[in-house]
Amino acid sequence: SQTIHQWPATLVQPVGSPLSLECTVEGTSNPNLYWYRQAAGRGLQLLFYSVGIGQISSEVPQNLSASRPQDRQFILSSKKLLLSDSGFYLCAWSAGGRGGLGGYTFGSGTRLTVV
Amino acid sequence: AQTVTQSQPEMSVQEAETVTLSCTYDTSENNYYLFWYKQPPSRQMILVIRQEAYKQQNATENRFSVNFQKAAKSFSLKISDSQLGDTAMYFCAFVSNFGNEKLTFGTGTRLTIIP
Repeated sequence: SQTIHQWPATLVQPVGSPLSLECTVEGTSNPNLYWYRQAAGRGLQLLFYSVGIGQISSEVPQNLSASRPQDRQFILSSKKLLLSDSGFYLCAWSAGGRGGLGGYTFGSGTRLTVV
Repeated sequence: AQTVTQSQPEMSVQEAETVTLSCTYDTSENNYYLFWYKQPPSRQMILVIRQEAYKQQNATENRFSVNFQKAAKSFSLKISDSQLGDTAMYFCAFVSNFGNEKLTFGTGTRLTIIP
């Protein structure tokens, strides 16, 4: 069966520090991968998605970047965190080849607090 | 661009009663999919139910059912015999059958089941 792992679960970082959140999927090949952010009291905003290794699409201009160095690994990064980067970050996957039409499977999320 | 609107930020209902959560969406497309996701206090996103726009029959999953009104672009979720474990944020989401399968979410409804 497929599983998705996301870590860390909680992170407190000072302003100006770097960020690296990691997400991996097991039990499937060539998944579509997504990073969402959920701000307090708001819905989920799509940040990045990837349909293959090295293929990253950005949805909103921001202080963050994403990379996909391996087929089932998706990394969210920042060189210098801002206070506005605080939030709950969710990684998700769907099967390639229109598998997203069946919905996504989400990781357990990372709560990031920038202080 | 598609938009998803959930006009009820919060709702509460007594245990064992029935509750309906509202969702409307805006799209010019004819083929798409709609979802309801549940996010309990653990913040794990869980797929509750899925509706294909070309199917007239409303989807059901045990105590969860939808009222899909395509012409009105309305997609409400009905929870019957509500249980304490139904307490959660509920998100409505949309994905087009065309393009890159990006899920667009509403802002959510916080549902509290009162014992």
